[in-house]
Amino acid sequence: GAVVSQHPSRVICKSGTSVKIECRSLDFQATTMFWYRQFPKQSLMLMATSNEGSKATYEQGVEKDKFLINHASLTLSTLTVTSAHPEDSSFYICSAPKQGGTEAFFGQGTRLTVV
Amino acid sequence: GESVGLHLPTLSVQEGDNSIINCAYSNSASDYFIWYKQESGKGPQFIIDIRSNMDKRQGQRVTVLLNKTVKHLSLQIAATQPGDSAVYFCAENLGGSQGNLIFGKGTKLSVKP
Repeated sequence: GAVVSQHPSRVICKSGTSVKIECRSLDFQATTMFWYRQFPKQSLMLMATSNEGSKATYEQGVEKDKFLINHASLTLSTLTVTSAHPEDSSFYICSAPKQGGTEAFFGQGTRLTVV
Repeated sequence: GESVGLHLPTLSVQEGDNSIINCAYSNSASDYFIWYKQESGKGPQFIIDIRSNMDKRQGQRVTVLLNKTVKHLSLQIAATQPGDSAVYFCAENLGGSQGNLIFGKGTKLSVKP
């Protein structure tokens, strides 16, 4: 089946630094990818929609200058958490639907810890 | 039930029993619903979906029921196994795809051997 790969699976960074998370569709093309954030024991919250070749669409309350999204190709979207703070510590998950399909495939998630 | 603060509702069942997990969705205009299973430290895994023109759909050991009148969705798991232990989320979408999903609060299923 279709596979979406996220990297890294875990990252620890210092406050004030930036962290990049990659989301790749391994065996299909995705013009759109979605980034979610999940705090412990809570549900997934959509942060933004990543669009290949155009600007990302951010959900209300999500700072676009803090969470930079780049969808550089049909198989890769990146989320960069800039000037990270401890409150940004969370589980970040991407998903990608196949072009022309309805099912979206989730990555395995990235656990970000900001110290 | 509703989650309070940081505590997920928990359903504890005996191995071999049937499990029923409930979800209230928010948007009466949503036309596509999905159940996901999430194991600790992993991304959500698709279980089963249903469109708003149906009220029941069956898969292997799982059944989803949709009641649009009260905006309620349920997931039934037959003969629950220890491997079913996970957090289960319902999700809704306008437009019939699995992108741009609104996730419910989640229920933790614990299966006792």
